[in-house]
Amino acid sequence: EVQLLESGGGLVQPGGSLRLSCAASGFTFSNYWMHWVRQAPGKGLEWVSAINTGGERTFYADSVKGRFTISRDNSKDTVFLQINSLRAGDTAVYFCTKYCTTNSRCFDPWGQGTLVTVSS
Amino acid sequence: DIQMIQSPSSVSASVGDRVTITCRASQSIRNWLAWYQQKPGKVPKLLIYGASSLDSGVPSRFSGSGSGTDFTLTISSLQPEDSATYYCQQANNFPITFGQGTRLEIK
Repeated sequence: EVQLLESGGGLVQPGGSLRLSCAASGFTFSNYWMHWVRQAPGKGLEWVSAINTGGERTFYADSVKGRFTISRDNSKDTVFLQINSLRAGDTAVYFCTKYCTTNSRCFDPWGQGTLVTVSS
Repeated sequence: DIQMIQSPSSVSASVGDRVTITCRASQSIRNWLAWYQQKPGKVPKLLIYGASSLDSGVPSRFSGSGSGTDFTLTISSLQPEDSATYYCQQANNFPITFGQGTRLEIK
């Protein structure tokens, strides 16, 4: 069974940092682009970042560019999201997901998410 | 960035009704469009990919169509368990973008 398990969320003060992790299992991790998508409380889905299979290419939403860094460790089947200079607007559940197949661009499955709360 | 506009923002319909949700892209996305269903407190679930391909296990009452800039998600005969928020998503270009969501309520 394909599984994605996020961790690392929590309560952090404005300006603070967190490192989110997503541990993958049940598929050949190194063959898939990985993504982070977030959802603020009561709001819609917002794509955050993507990383290609080898980790050399990364992409970010404008809202997080320069503050967030995505990376991956294919030896540990894990993708990370380093989030710095946190703002109240970054408060959200952060989901880890992957492209459905190696040549499609839908997202499936999704992890359960990890909640990041930015508040003083 | 490609903007994805869904309509309506919310809809209320009865069991057995045919429901259509539309999604319009601000520029051509070919057929790089997916639809998701999200119920309160749950993770988004993939329904449709490639604009019209039904994901495995998704009931056949769901269907998708369109290409270029205009897309539709249709539920042919609404069931009580279809009450949810539906999102479209484009992946033709980065940044990937979602529609704002359509809340579907069962009367």
